[in-house]
Amino acid sequence: GAGVSQSPRYKVTKRGQDVALRCDPISGHVSLYWYRQALGQGPEFLTYFNYEAQQDKSGLPNDRFSAERPEGSISTLTIQRTEQRDSAMYRCASSDDVERSYFFGQGTRLTVV
Amino acid sequence: AQSVTQLDSQVPVFEEAPVELRCNYSSSVSVYLFWYVQYPNQGLQLLLKYLSGSTLVESINGFEAEFNKSQTSFHLRKPSVHISDTAEYFCAVVDTGRRALTFGSGTRLQVQP
Repeated sequence: GAGVSQSPRYKVTKRGQDVALRCDPISGHVSLYWYRQALGQGPEFLTYFNYEAQQDKSGLPNDRFSAERPEGSISTLTIQRTEQRDSAMYRCASSDDVERSYFFGQGTRLTVV
Repeated sequence: AQSVTQLDSQVPVFEEAPVELRCNYSSSVSVYLFWYVQYPNQGLQLLLKYLSGSTLVESINGFEAEFNKSQTSFHLRKPSVHISDTAEYFCAVVDTGRRALTFGSGTRLQVQP
């Protein structure tokens, strides 16, 4: 696609429910990243994929958070048993590792009520 | 571990005045440096980046940043700002051997008429 696409743009969920956030990267970008951005803060790294391999998941806050990229393209970030503190903007980025150009999607704003 | 400090959370400035947004980083190895801009209700957009070569890098809309290795800084400047430059600006760094960006907490530039 022309840019990084994330869906849904907005998600309101009840505490305790599971949510799945989707990211469709720029075609041909081998690297895909997930970030979380709290209000008034910069994005914080969650996890990174090279093709389908999850290379770094050191930023995932706990085991309720998981991510996959089974075919090396679309990725899903799943949060189980959501809590109010999970409310944030979740951003996906993909990159061309040669030029080190990181392109971000519009983000998914998650609100846990 | 790498980190980024943006000391100014908000910078108010009058239209056509010069502006400098400060960014300092810490890292024990060589780095790549980036400035991203986030306009209201939009995603993060790459403004400019330093990978190698000339320490002064420029964007297409008149911003420039200079990599200063001795001072571990990458300040963003513009000689004359426009109302349309009102946005949040994020500085980011990545070690050359790694992939995931580390962001600062952002500086909100408010251009007043």
